[in-house]
Amino acid sequence: AQSVAQPEDQVNVAEGNPLTVKCTYSVSGNPYLFWYVQYPNRGLQFLLKYITGDNLVKGSYGFEAEFNKSQTSFHLKKPSALVSDSALYFCAVREGGSYIPTFGRGTSLIVHP
Amino acid sequence: DGGITQSPKYLFRKEGQNVTLSCEQNLNHDAMYWYRQDPGQGLRLIYYSQIVNDFQKGDIAEGYSVSREKKESFPLTVTSAQKNPTAFYLCASSSELAGNTDTQYFGPGTRLTVL
Repeated sequence: AQSVAQPEDQVNVAEGNPLTVKCTYSVSGNPYLFWYVQYPNRGLQFLLKYITGDNLVKGSYGFEAEFNKSQTSFHLKKPSALVSDSALYFCAVREGGSYIPTFGRGTSLIVHP
Repeated sequence: DGGITQSPKYLFRKEGQNVTLSCEQNLNHDAMYWYRQDPGQGLRLIYYSQIVNDFQKGDIAEGYSVSREKKESFPLTVTSAQKNPTAFYLCASSSELAGNTDTQYFGPGTRLTVL
């Protein structure tokens, strides 16, 4: 069975500071990991994904995520936060043999000016 | 929102009414999905379809029905049997039939409110 956890309901960061949104997962086989962002009253937008290869994945809007197999984590990061990054962020996981992803509960990122 | 349209954006339903939410995609994707989003609960899968004329129940299918008569369309009906339908509904699609690496593309959502 596959599962994903986003341990923080909300993350607060000052504009210009680095940000991290945490995600941990559990799968039986190889994980395929995804990050999405949702702005108010909008659908989810794809940010990045890890399938295989380099553990550091770069995505849209300057975001990146690091796959850590030993810690079963896939934290989302950005070196310098913008106020416009304020949104709801979802981590999702699929394991080999499944094409239905499991989504985390979401983390609200608030970037203060 | 990646070639997927949902309509209407806002929908109001009276108790006891059935309503149908539209989802159309022009991405030539085989798989389509319906999710329900409630505050603090993330996304919960209602139904999904791998191919035309076939669909499967997700985690919370009770009170909902779907059809997949065309590749590009996957409408969701919220029936009167759904006791708490007020939520934000998201449609998504992905390309391959069983592609684990596929990205899902989401529509803009429909906010349903029961009066």
